[in-house]
This record gives sequence, C-alpha cells and structure tokens, in this order.
Amino acid sequence: DAGVIQSPRHEVTEMGQEVTLRCKPISGHDYLFWYRQTMMRGLELLIYFNNNVPIDDSGMPEDRFSAKMPNASFSTLKIQPSEPRDSAVYFCASSFGFSSYNEQFFGPGTRLTVL
Amino acid sequence: RKEVEQDPGPFNVPEGATVAFNCTYSNSASQSFFWYRQDCRKEPKLLMSVYSSGNEDGRFTAQLNRASQYISLLIRDSKLSDSATYLCVVNIPQAGTALIFGKGTTLSVSS
Repeated sequence: DAGVIQSPRHEVTEMGQEVTLRCKPISGHDYLFWYRQTMMRGLELLIYFNNNVPIDDSGMPEDRFSAKMPNASFSTLKIQPSEPRDSAVYFCASSFGFSSYNEQFFGPGTRLTVL
Repeated sequence: RKEVEQDPGPFNVPEGATVAFNCTYSNSASQSFFWYRQDCRKEPKLLMSVYSSGNEDGRFTAQLNRASQYISLLIRDSKLSDSATYLCVVNIPQAGTALIFGKGTTLSVSS
C-alpha cells in the first residue's frame, strides 16, 4: 500500500513568492497533520485535521501560512508570501482513530528553501 | 521549560555497546509516550510505544516514570544500522491524538 505522499520533494523559491505544498494521506486515515522541522526548533506541529476539518491551528506561525483539506485524500499547506526563515522540511503525517496511541505515518517531506 | 527535553548527543558508541537515552516531559497530564526513529534526511518512523509497566522489543527497552515525568530508551548490542536520531514523543493532553516531539538524540554506532 502507498504511504503518505507529499509533493514536491524539494522546492527552491525566492522571498515573496507563494509556495504550495501538497499531501495525500493514507487511504482510510481520518487524521492529517502538518509539521515543520528545523535544526533550531526540531519538529513542530503546525495544524491538524480530523475528517477534513481543522481542529487545532495554534502552531501555524503567522497569517502567511494557511492549510486546507478539501477532501479526505488531499491537503495543502500554503505560504504567501514566503520568507527565508520559512526554509525547513515540511512533513505531512496521517493516522487513524482518536486514540493518542495510534501511530502517525509520515510522508517523505518537502524540503523548502526560500532565497 | 521546554515541553519535551532530550540530550541532543551525539552518542558515539562501538558495535555491541549498550546505550541509554533519556527524556523529560513537562505536562503531567500527558498519557501517551513514544520513541520515534529518524534516519538522516528521512521521515520519522515509530520505533515503539512506551507503556507504564515498561516494555521491550528485541534489543530495545523503554521505561516510563510518571512521578518524575521521565522516559528512557535502552538499546542493547548496538548495530551499525541503529545509527539514527531518536525522538522522544508525548501526546498533548487537551488535543487528542496530537503529539509533541523532542528535538532528538543522535546515535552513531561505529565498527
């Protein structure tokens, strides 16, 4: 079975440009998470969805960041306008069920560089 | 105080060594605990869950001390393939299935 799919795998853009990251969760999973990983701050939860509904976006750094999940098989994380400090690896993860002991499966990540 | 704290290492050990990683967490209401493994430039993957009574999976043993809010991971008979970053993870009590990750402890096993 396919795991979590993310695209693009690498993105290099210039400051001020719009960036859109995409994620396809594992089929049947009802939770989707967006994380950002940097050396300084580690892996940070940005936002998560349950059944396509955003549950907690308190980790979204500022209004330049937005996330949507129009259906159960697709989510986007958008940064507009992008800044050099947004450079990081962005991971999408999915899981099934409410229990906090349910494993989260991560995608391969999108490595974003903002020049 | 950071929510999940780990010694970043690196821990450099020879093959066959026993190595232990520790982690502390700040929210006493956390109920779920894990160790994830992350290889260089890869995504994190679940290594093992950590239960109150402690649990073992082959060469790996995890322990939880709720009173001290402390989690440990012991790796026996280290292999070259164990070289990775080990992330201590706890749940956010008021946020169901959401998790907080430590920054990780890096292990390098050499021959």
